[in-house]
Amino acid sequence: DAKTTQPTSMDCAEGRAANLPCNHSTISGNEYVYWYRQIHSQGPQYIIHGLKNNETNEMASLIITEDRKSSTLILPHATLRDTAVYYCIHAGNNRKLIWGLGTSLAVNP
Amino acid sequence: DTAVSQTPKYLVTQMGNDKSIKCEQNLGHDTMYWYKQDSKKFLKIMFSYNNKELIINETVPNRFSPKSPDKAHLNLHINSLELGDSAVYFCASSQDRRKAEQYFGPGTRLTVT
Repeated sequence: DAKTTQPTSMDCAEGRAANLPCNHSTISGNEYVYWYRQIHSQGPQYIIHGLKNNETNEMASLIITEDRKSSTLILPHATLRDTAVYYCIHAGNNRKLIWGLGTSLAVNP
Repeated sequence: DTAVSQTPKYLVTQMGNDKSIKCEQNLGHDTMYWYKQDSKKFLKIMFSYNNKELIINETVPNRFSPKSPDKAHLNLHINSLELGDSAVYFCASSQDRRKAEQYFGPGTRLTVT
């Protein structure tokens, strides 16, 4: 069973920031939070990961709460190509990823 | 210069047949994976190999047999195909077994009739 909770679906206007929340209240101290996305009919794509500090890369920003029980993935300027299912996962030492159903993000023109 | 490639992309076959799916990565990664994504879109890990050694073997029927001839290749052979095997199968790789940053192939859509 997936260990994270995400909204089933979200909408975002093109050009606006998309903020995708995730609850991972059972996360252990040594587990990272990973975000992936899957565009329709493609393989999943790694986005970003973090342990406890906020992280930013060319694709997105990751904000992790101080208690590490939740996080938010931010796409600063969403485009139509960002329409996808976004998965939030926390992985332990063996790095085995347990996937949920994710959040289906629709970016609208 | 595809990073993780799979062949074939589509596979339609009849129940009882034996089929193979091939995967290759040119990233120089040590670890490779097979995942199954069912009709409900759940993605579940099946196997993982690290430097040709099996390190993850989930509860998968023994009709499924992975083979890793070298660390750049991980093939999946399926015997006696059943209707329930219909799914999309993804291959992935990561730098090593400690890295959860995985790179996925485009998937193989298997349809068993």
